[in-house]
Amino acid sequence: AQSVAQPEDQVNVAEGNPLTVKCTYSVSGNPYLFWYVQYPNRGLQFLLKYITGDNLVKGSYGFEAEFNKSQTSFHLKKPSALVSDSALYFCAVRVLPGDDKIIFGKGTRLHILP
Amino acid sequence: DAGVIQSPRHEVTEMGQEVTLRCKPISGHDYLFWYRQTMMRGLELLIYFNNNVPIDDSGMPEDRFSAKMPNASFSTLKIQPSEPRDSAVYFCASSFSLGLEIETQYFGPGTRLLVL
Repeated sequence: AQSVAQPEDQVNVAEGNPLTVKCTYSVSGNPYLFWYVQYPNRGLQFLLKYITGDNLVKGSYGFEAEFNKSQTSFHLKKPSALVSDSALYFCAVRVLPGDDKIIFGKGTRLHILP
Repeated sequence: DAGVIQSPRHEVTEMGQEVTLRCKPISGHDYLFWYRQTMMRGLELLIYFNNNVPIDDSGMPEDRFSAKMPNASFSTLKIQPSEPRDSAVYFCASSFSLGLEIETQYFGPGTRLLVL
């Protein structure tokens, strides 16, 4: 079965420190992977995606993610966290090539401490 | 572009009443998705359309839920009769296809539904 997992419900990071939000996936075929962010009382916003090409993908607001095929992971990273990065982050995976649905993880709440 | 527009933003109703949620996708997008978000179940895909045609409604929880897309610029999600367990935030999202690829989904601000 196709799935995506975010093993951490919450991640706390001090402002200025690097942050990592973890995501692992399980799909048949080549994965199409996404990260979205949700701020309070807002809809989800696209951050970045991996379809093919370089394993390191750069996205909005200084975020990047590294696709690791051997570990079936797509962790979200940022070198220096800002308080404004505090939000709910969702990893998502395309179910199959040719299928239009994407499956979202349960989300990880990121707290950046001043 | 104004982005995906949803109305109402908030809805409070009593159990047994009919609820209709509305969505206007981004112009030119040919995919439309309805999601439900709760603390317990996270983000769930309810149904999605391609070129106004429902493609997959396997996420619709019960026959009380129905969705339509009469044209490319409008969709509705209806709950009849509503129940307290339907209380959630309902999101609409749209995207456009590029060849065989489906591009990024753009989400609306959501409708916060409370059924008393």
